[in-house]
Amino acid sequence: EDQVTQSPEALRLQEGESSSLNCSYTVSGLRGLFWYRQDPGKGPEFLFTLYSAGEEKEKERLKATLTKKESFLHITAPKPEDSATYLCAVRGPNGGSQGNLIFGKGTKLSVKP
Amino acid sequence: KAGVTQTPRYLIKTRGQQVTLSCSPISGHRSVSWYQQTPGQGLQFLFEYFSETQRNKGNFPGRFSGRQFSNSRSEMNVSTLELGDSALYLCASSNGQEETQYFGPGTRLLVL
Repeated sequence: EDQVTQSPEALRLQEGESSSLNCSYTVSGLRGLFWYRQDPGKGPEFLFTLYSAGEEKEKERLKATLTKKESFLHITAPKPEDSATYLCAVRGPNGGSQGNLIFGKGTKLSVKP
Repeated sequence: KAGVTQTPRYLIKTRGQQVTLSCSPISGHRSVSWYQQTPGQGLQFLFEYFSETQRNKGNFPGRFSGRQFSNSRSEMNVSTLELGDSALYLCASSNGQEETQYFGPGTRLLVL
């Protein structure tokens, strides 16, 4: 069964303390891995799409990387405004066994000043 | 370009009632997907519509249904509401099945 597991569930950082979030996936025939950011009470905001192992994408303090079994979201010198829940999702050969996108439970990031 | 819009933003219903939620996709997007988000289960796929046809469906009971209109706007309906249907319902639109999905702000449904 297609699955996405994110770790850790929660992460507390001091401002400026770099770290990484992990997204492990099992899906046959990956057709895209997606990272979203979600603030409380709001819809997920798109960050990155990765399609093949070795691919990397960057945006401001965020950098996403992809291997054959996992993806990392690296956060460099985070600021308090980076506090949010970060969601990872995959799309399989037929949209995944459940249909469209399969989401992990997310990592809740808190950055203290 | 305007983003995905959802109405209403908040809704309170009682058990047994039915509810209809609306989603207007980004202009030019023809695919609309619906998701349910709860603290325990996270984001779960409900269904996807493309050109007025349901293309994919998740593992939800038949009480959950949807439709899409010729202008790509979509509605989802939940009949005979249960307490467990309390959730944030999210709509996402994309240019097609292979493209990135962009989410709306969601409709927060509370069933009492």
